[in-house]
Amino acid sequence: EDQVTQSPEALRLQEGESSSLNCSYTVSGLRGLFWYRQDPGKGPEFLFTLYSAGEEKEKERLKATLTKKESFLHITAPKPEDSATYLCAVQAYNNNDMRFGAGTRLTVKP
Amino acid sequence: EAQVTQNPRYLITVTGKKLTVTCSQNMNHEYMSWYRQDPGLGLRQIYYSMNVEVTDKGDVPEGYKVSRKEKRNFPLILESPSPNQTSLYFCASSLSAYNEQFFGPGTRLTVL
Repeated sequence: EDQVTQSPEALRLQEGESSSLNCSYTVSGLRGLFWYRQDPGKGPEFLFTLYSAGEEKEKERLKATLTKKESFLHITAPKPEDSATYLCAVQAYNNNDMRFGAGTRLTVKP
Repeated sequence: EAQVTQNPRYLITVTGKKLTVTCSQNMNHEYMSWYRQDPGLGLRQIYYSMNVEVTDKGDVPEGYKVSRKEKRNFPLILESPSPNQTSLYFCASSLSAYNEQFFGPGTRLTVL
């Protein structure tokens, strides 16, 4: 069965303190790995899609990377407005559903 | 404005009283999906639809029904709600099953 595990569950950083969020996955043939950001009381908002090991994508202070077993979301010099829950999801070649991890709740203190 | 809308946003009901949560998208997307979000469990897919009249079960379909009679609408039906269906529900849509999804604002359901 496809599985997605995110760590840590929660992360508290000082403004400017860079760190990484992890998404480990087990899937029979990865079609795509997705990263979303979710603010309290709102629906998830799309950030990145990664398709193959070695691929990287960047957006402002965020960079997502992918290996055959996990993905990292690197946050460089975070600001308080980066505080949110970050969700990872995978889709396999052999089905059309989407499986999400439980998320990492990031808090950035000024 | 491109968006996914859900109604109602908040709903408190009692066990056994049938309810429908509506979902509509204005982006001409083929794929639509329903999720529930519970603390510590993340988003779990309930049902999805690849296109009109094509629906399939996700991870947690028990106690739910869906229909896709038109491309833009994908209502979620709880025929006999129970307290364990108290949750935050999200509808989402995408161009296809393989593209990023756009989420609605969520519906917070409480079943007493």
